[in-house]
Amino acid sequence: EVQLVESGGGLVQPGGSLRLSCAASGFGFSGYWMSWVRQAPGKGLEWVANIRQDGRENWYVDSVKGRFTISRDNADNSLFLQMKSLRVEDTAVYYCTRIGTGGEFDYWGQGTLVTVSS
Amino acid sequence: DIVMTQSPDSLAVSLGERATINCKSSRSVLYNSDNKNYLAWYQQKPGQPPKLLIYWASMRGSGVPDRFSGSGSGTDFTLTISSLQAEDVAVYYCQQYYSTPRTFGQGTKVEIK
Repeated sequence: EVQLVESGGGLVQPGGSLRLSCAASGFGFSGYWMSWVRQAPGKGLEWVANIRQDGRENWYVDSVKGRFTISRDNADNSLFLQMKSLRVEDTAVYYCTRIGTGGEFDYWGQGTLVTVSS
Repeated sequence: DIVMTQSPDSLAVSLGERATINCKSSRSVLYNSDNKNYLAWYQQKPGQPPKLLIYWASMRGSGVPDRFSGSGSGTDFTLTISSLQAEDVAVYYCQQYYSTPRTFGQGTKVEIK
């Protein structure tokens, strides 16, 4: 059974940093692109970042470029999102997702809440 | 960026009746080389993460009931729930994976009338 379990969310002040983790199990993690998708409270879904299987290619939504870094550890079946210079508008539930063979987000974790507030 | 626009924003349907949600993309998401539409639908129930319902515009995801179907091509797509069940109350999102940034529609809330 595919499982994605996020951790690392919490309350942080504007300008602060946070590192999210996602523990993957139940599938060959190193064989898949992975992604982070976020959802602000009461709002819709927003794609944040993608990372290739070997970690050497990644993509970001414009609003987080230069502030967020996606990475992975295939030996440990883990995905990460390093977030710096956090803004109030980054407040959201952050979901770890697996990207299916076509590009769709085929499995989602339960999410971890990041709150940026003074 | 490809903008995804769903309609309506919400709808109320009686149990057992048909529910139809539309999704329009600002550019075609049909990839000519493989003749596939890079369009997915997700269901998000209250307090839960989204779940993949449909990919390639019309292929049902793993374990998805056959009352859910997707259709359309190019820029216009439809998600149909043929006979609404109580457990289908949710927000539904379309999403394109034709280009980066990946973009979602704003969501359509489905309720019981």
